[in-house]
Amino acid sequence: ELKVEQNPLFLSMQEGKNYTIYCNYSTTSDRLYWYRQDPGKSLESLFVLLSNGAVKQEGRLMASLDTKARLSTLHITAAVHDLSATYFCAVDMRIGNEKLTFGTGTRLTIIP
Amino acid sequence: GAGVSQSPSNKVTEKGKDVELRCDPISGHTALYWYRQSLGQGLEFLIYFQGNSAPDKSGLPSDRFSAERTGGSVSTLTIQRTQQEDSAVYLCASSLVARETQYFGPGTRLLVL
Repeated sequence: ELKVEQNPLFLSMQEGKNYTIYCNYSTTSDRLYWYRQDPGKSLESLFVLLSNGAVKQEGRLMASLDTKARLSTLHITAAVHDLSATYFCAVDMRIGNEKLTFGTGTRLTIIP
Repeated sequence: GAGVSQSPSNKVTEKGKDVELRCDPISGHTALYWYRQSLGQGLEFLIYFQGNSAPDKSGLPSDRFSAERTGGSVSTLTIQRTQQEDSAVYLCASSLVARETQYFGPGTRLLVL
């Protein structure tokens, strides 16, 4: 059974600082997604990572994937208040198992 | 263009009643998914449709849960004889084809009293 773990679960950081959220998964996969969820809202797609060594960047967020280590990271650079949200990673195992298995989520709070 | 829509946005029901939740996927998306989000269980997969067929129903928690999709478009998730543990936000997602990025709807918040 695929397990997806994120850490930390909660992260409170000051504006302007850098930090990294980690996503570990237990079974071979070649697709990993990052989503953002604002309170009371649905999930917004941020990144899809399709291969080992893939790196995607959008604004102050950068995601990477190491399929050998079964690890993805979401790096936040010079955090701003607008980035406060819950971030989920999700893994798609393979053809024939198209569902997403989500991590526990990281609730990020940016403090002015 | 229009995103995934779901109705109702909120539903309060009494234990033992049946409820129907509706999902309208993005036009042209062949794959449709239902997930459930609750405080205790996080985000859980329920069922996946490819066209009108459901190749993966493995996440449905009991036989009280069923879903159908018609015309390769609208899907309905039905929960019979609701229980308090069914209280959650039910999220629908669609993708152009399977294994592409899933786009989520706003969800239906279900409260079973």
